[in-house]
Amino acid sequence: QVQLVQSGVEMKRPGASVMVSCQASGYVFHDFGITWVRQAPGQGLEWMGWISPYTHNTRYPRTFQGRVSLTADTATATVYMQLGSLGSDDTAVYFCARVSKTGGTYALDFWGQGSLVIVSS
Amino acid sequence: EIVLTQSPATVSLSPGERVTLSCRASQGVGNHLAWYQQRPGQVPRLVIYDASKRATDVPARFSGGGSGTDFSLAISSLEPEDFAVYYCQQCNTWPPTYSFGQGTKLE
Repeated sequence: QVQLVQSGVEMKRPGASVMVSCQASGYVFHDFGITWVRQAPGQGLEWMGWISPYTHNTRYPRTFQGRVSLTADTATATVYMQLGSLGSDDTAVYFCARVSKTGGTYALDFWGQGSLVIVSS
Repeated sequence: EIVLTQSPATVSLSPGERVTLSCRASQGVGNHLAWYQQRPGQVPRLVIYDASKRATDVPARFSGGGSGTDFSLAISSLEPEDFAVYYCQQCNTWPPTYSFGQGTKLE
């Protein structure tokens, strides 16, 4: 069965960087894109970026340009999300999600369990 | 950037009732719209994609509609497990760029 397993809780100081991993199993890794979405406490979903594990092409929203980087390791079927220059408003749960190939919406059909990142001095 | 606006922000109903949630896009997205359900403390779950197609294992009481800028998610007879927050999401470009609505809480 398709599974996305993410790394655990991270506590960081303001100004630091964080790296969160997302290991995929149960499907052909390089056949599906991976998207990252975050959710601040009590808030909605915010898109952070997309990567194709096949081509390593990436796409980021303007709000995160220059601060987020997605990479993929096909040998371990793992996608990494690195976010720099952390501030307290980056405290959130970070999700990876697989991009469905069914239909034209590129919907997110399987999600990781989420990784809590806490930014505090 | 396409902005999605959901309404209402909160709706209060009882099991067995019918509900319709709305999502409006700031510009046309064709039928490239999805809906997600997020129960408290859980991961979002895909409910509807391509505006009207039910995702795997989603009960038939869920239905999606609309195209262009106006979309809806209807639940015909609410079950206790349907009380959650629902988000709409659009993506109509390649490489994909996404945006989410702010969510509707069904309580």
